[in-house]
Amino acid sequence: GAVVSQHPSRVICKSGTSVKIECRSLDFQATTMFWYRQFPKQSLMLMATSNEGSKATYEQGVEKDKFLINHASLTLSTLTVTSAHPEDSSFYICSASQGGEETQYFGPGTRLLVL
Amino acid sequence: QKEVEQNSGPLSVPEGAIASLNCTYSDRVSQSFFWYRQYSGKSPELIMSIYSNGDKEDGRFTAQLNKASQYVSLLIRDSQPSDSATYLCAVNNNFNKFYFGSGTKLNVKP
Repeated sequence: GAVVSQHPSRVICKSGTSVKIECRSLDFQATTMFWYRQFPKQSLMLMATSNEGSKATYEQGVEKDKFLINHASLTLSTLTVTSAHPEDSSFYICSASQGGEETQYFGPGTRLLVL
Repeated sequence: QKEVEQNSGPLSVPEGAIASLNCTYSDRVSQSFFWYRQYSGKSPELIMSIYSNGDKEDGRFTAQLNKASQYVSLLIRDSQPSDSATYLCAVNNNFNKFYFGSGTKLNVKP
């Protein structure tokens, strides 16, 4: 149980375009979803926390207008990188937790390359 | 001071040995602690969680927690080459916010 999927697994886009990444909890209802970014050889950096039906809480230094997060249902959250630039190239990973539980279950990640 | 600190390694151990991974945290009120394993190019996968002082065993893995010393560790018995990965320590600060350490890279040599 506690499976989280992400789509796409890999995406290449041109600078200035927008990219949407989906995160789904497949076998449980995720009251909270988290979005992380990881640059090569670095640890996970939390970008934002989203609760179903409410606005995401962004970490300091993360532009909410650039990284749009929507958590419209208990099984789906989306991250849209708007006007992507090469410096946005990274490994984006979502995680989800069930109501009342603290454990976070991670999706397989999305590797974004902005040319 | 970082919320969660880990030695980046690499920690090299021979196959069959015990690997000991350590983590310290700064927020004394933290209540929940997690160990994740991350293979290169992959996302983290949960190994185990621990909430109470003492040891918690799951197969070849034992997590140890000492809240007084703000210290949590992971022991891997009978280490296998397939255990070679980066191990991330995560601490929940009671506001449903995880703080991750930078990870310790483990190399298990055949």
